[in-house]
Amino acid sequence: EPEVTQTPSHQVTQMGQEVILRCVPISNHLYFYWYRQILGQKVEFLVSFYNNEISEKSEIFDDQFSVERPDGSNFTLKIRSTKLEDSAMYFCASSLERQGSGAGNTIYFGEGSWLTVV
Amino acid sequence: AQSVSQHNHHVILSEAASLELGCNYSYGGTVNLFWYVQYPGQHLQLLLKYFSGDPLVKGIKGFEAEFIKSKFSFNLRKPSVQWSDTAEYFCAVTAYGNNRLAFGKGNQVVVIP
Repeated sequence: EPEVTQTPSHQVTQMGQEVILRCVPISNHLYFYWYRQILGQKVEFLVSFYNNEISEKSEIFDDQFSVERPDGSNFTLKIRSTKLEDSAMYFCASSLERQGSGAGNTIYFGEGSWLTVV
Repeated sequence: AQSVSQHNHHVILSEAASLELGCNYSYGGTVNLFWYVQYPGQHLQLLLKYFSGDPLVKGIKGFEAEFIKSKFSFNLRKPSVQWSDTAEYFCAVTAYGNNRLAFGKGNQVVVIP
């Protein structure tokens, strides 16, 4: 079965440092997403990306976050200046069609990248 | 915005016992509903989904869920669990036309052999 792959699986970084989390979505998928889960809390939507631009973002996705699809296969999440509260598991996901389209679309998740900010 | 509630965050049961996990959502319009499972050390995997049609949905590994619109619920069931069902289970919802999944807090299920 095709998979969404993420690197690194774990990263520890100092507060204020920049972090880039990388994802390789499923190759024929068109929609890409980042979600995060702070320990003990819900999985939260961060951003969706389609046709080389952000299609939707949540209140969490402020100016310190950015996403990019630099080379047609990778999909990255950059956190410009990390804070302690950015410590979380970050999930990349992709889908062939838009979520909520009613077309029976499925979103596939990666295994996640654990980010610890110290 | 839609939200999802899951109760009984930790569930411990013996093999062959029946499992039911509750999921309630708050949104008045058309929704798409999902259950995801995360086995230890693995990624989120789709168990089953409801978009339209028969409100009783059958998924993988013997799981099923029933959409009851009047109760805003989408409860997950399995008649007889196995040790390999030990995992965290997440209910999620998207509103029709919305591109984001809203997740519940998850149910940590431990099946004792």
